[in-house]
Amino acid sequence: DAKTTQPPSMDCAEGRAANLPCNHSTISGNEYVYWYRQIHSQGPQYIIHGLKNNETNEMASLIITEDRKSSTLILPHATLRDTAVYYCIVRDSGGYQKVTFGTGTKLQVIP
Amino acid sequence: DTGVSQNPRHKITKRGQNVTFRCDPISEHNRLYWYRQTLGQGPEFLTYFQNEAQLEKSRLLSDRFSAERPKGSFSTLEIQRTEQGDSAMYLCASSPGRGNEQYFGPGTRLTVT
Repeated sequence: DAKTTQPPSMDCAEGRAANLPCNHSTISGNEYVYWYRQIHSQGPQYIIHGLKNNETNEMASLIITEDRKSSTLILPHATLRDTAVYYCIVRDSGGYQKVTFGTGTKLQVIP
Repeated sequence: DTGVSQNPRHKITKRGQNVTFRCDPISEHNRLYWYRQTLGQGPEFLTYFQNEAQLEKSRLLSDRFSAERPKGSFSTLEIQRTEQGDSAMYLCASSPGRGNEQYFGPGTRLTVT
């Protein structure tokens, strides 16, 4: 799986949009971008994934650049409950698909 | 609750003892994964099952570790002769098949004294 690079930490004001960047410059054509988050003392939670088109669900939006070398996870209206570590992961669609986590971005939502 | 469950949630044991953790995946998910997470790090892959077959083991899984999924439903992870370095959160995840996201349980926190 391709390696990803994320900032170690970010702050966001409550009610504002949180934009979490991820670089994956070595991504290959059949690799998807996945985002998970881990709230303190809980297991990771799947958020969203995409291949090349932008994606939106009830939790977040995923914007993938045209060259697919970077992406941004957007939480449109951050709440205190969104404080967590956010992991950007690149995974092949084939195989057994173990998830290779990095150290992620610690997002602190500030009241 | 139809999510992934893990038991126990916390385990404190003395060095040298054996411990066993259980994971119950989401019903009908045929893929089951074990991960280990230490403080400040992301989860690290340990092993993977498709139904009852163990198809991959990480180098992290030393001879003291063994995992089973005897009937393709729940799974157990056993650690023999525990060491202080085994202290970590042990996470289980399941997925319904290829290309699908994984659903994680709450984890079992192991402390070896």
